Amino acid sequence: GEQVEQRPPHLSVREGDSAVITCTYTDPNSYYFFWYKQEPGASLQLLMKVFSSTEINEGQGFTVLLNKKDKRLSLNLTAAHPGDSAAYFCAVRDTEGADRLTFGKGTQLIIQP
Amino acid sequence: DMKVTQMPRYLIKRMGENVLLECGQDMSHETMYWYRQDPGLGLQLIYISYDVDSNSEGDIPKGYRVSRKKREHFSLILDSAKTNQTSVYFCASSWDINNQAPLFGEGTRLSVL
Repeated sequence: GEQVEQRPPHLSVREGDSAVITCTYTDPNSYYFFWYKQEPGASLQLLMKVFSSTEINEGQGFTVLLNKKDKRLSLNLTAAHPGDSAAYFCAVRDTEGADRLTFGKGTQLIIQP
Repeated sequence: DMKVTQMPRYLIKRMGENVLLECGQDMSHETMYWYRQDPGLGLQLIYISYDVDSNSEGDIPKGYRVSRKKREHFSLILDSAKTNQTSVYFCASSWDINNQAPLFGEGTRLSVL
């Protein structure tokens, strides 16, 4: 089945700096990806869903890049602010198991003032 | 208002006791999930349900069972809980994963002493 590796597990950046979180996956047929944000003690909130047909997706203050050749998905936060401090998880839809998502192990992001 | 509701939010049980975690959604979503989240491990799929009485094991089903008798309600049952089942349990639901990212509940923090 699909395997997802997420790096780094912990990341600390200063306010205003950029931050990059990367996930690599194993199934070259994967085509549907998600990024979730989880604040301490809270649920997972969807940041963005990405189809394999689109290599660049932009949200509010972040960009998601998909490199299908390298099977790599990255979340790029530009000009980080304290509200970005949270855990971030990538998830990949399994091509074998219907409706299943395989999650990365998460990145704990801390924004320092 | 689209929402996945989990009850209880916090639960303390003794080893060997039975545990019932409940999850509800009012969106008529077909697919529902139970995940557990442990530090450094991300989210691991316990069970997935495609509709009433249509349940499938996830990656870590051992020690758990589920029940779905109504589309809007999905229960996770631990028969004779073990200390290694101490975790945060998340329920999620989605109508169609190709069109909608799974929506997560607030989680249940279970401690088995």
